[in-house]
Amino acid sequence: DVQLLASGGGLVQPGGSLRLSCAASGFTFSNFAMAWVRQAQGGGLEWVSAIDGRGVRTYYADSAKGRFTISRDNSQNTLYLQIDGLRAEDTAIYYCAKDVPAFEFWGQGTLVTVST
Amino acid sequence: IVMTQSPATLSVSPGERVTLSCRASQSVSRSLAWYQQRPGQAPRLLIYTASTRATGVPVRFSGSGSGTEFTLTISSLQSEDFAVYYCLQYNTWPLMCSFGQGTKLEI
Repeated sequence: DVQLLASGGGLVQPGGSLRLSCAASGFTFSNFAMAWVRQAQGGGLEWVSAIDGRGVRTYYADSAKGRFTISRDNSQNTLYLQIDGLRAEDTAIYYCAKDVPAFEFWGQGTLVTVST
Repeated sequence: IVMTQSPATLSVSPGERVTLSCRASQSVSRSLAWYQQRPGQAPRLLIYTASTRATGVPVRFSGSGSGTEFTLTISSLQSEDFAVYYCLQYNTWPLMCSFGQGTKLEI
């Protein structure tokens, strides 16, 4: 079965950094593009970033350009999202998703809270 | 591209047929997906390319539409279908994609 286990979220002060991870299993990881989608508490969904299967091409929503960096390690079947300069508006559950652009399968998410 | 879903909340009863609407501010061809999100869970893909059911999705879920007008129909509501439903346009992928604000189905 496909599994995506996101981790790395937590409480961080404004201006801080976090590195989110997503451990994948149950499919050939390197064959699929992956993405991050976030959801503010009680709010809607917002695509953040995506990366191709080889890790060569990366894509970002306008709101993520400059502060977010997506990467992957196909030898470890793991997807990453580095977030720098965290802001209150980055507070959300961050989901990793398999395959683009229709986000075929989603992991359970990791909560990022930006607050003093 | 702005995706507008209506209604925001729909009160329905088990066994009923329900139709959810998603409208795009400009044509997205058939590059549209629908997701179901139950409380405390991650979203689940139901429909892609406007009308193709994802693997394992019950046949009571169907999608239709093209251009700017799309619908998701649930032919006979089951208890597990009470959730929030989101549409997503990906016609401008990978430059961007955009979700609707969601429709909540409640008993």
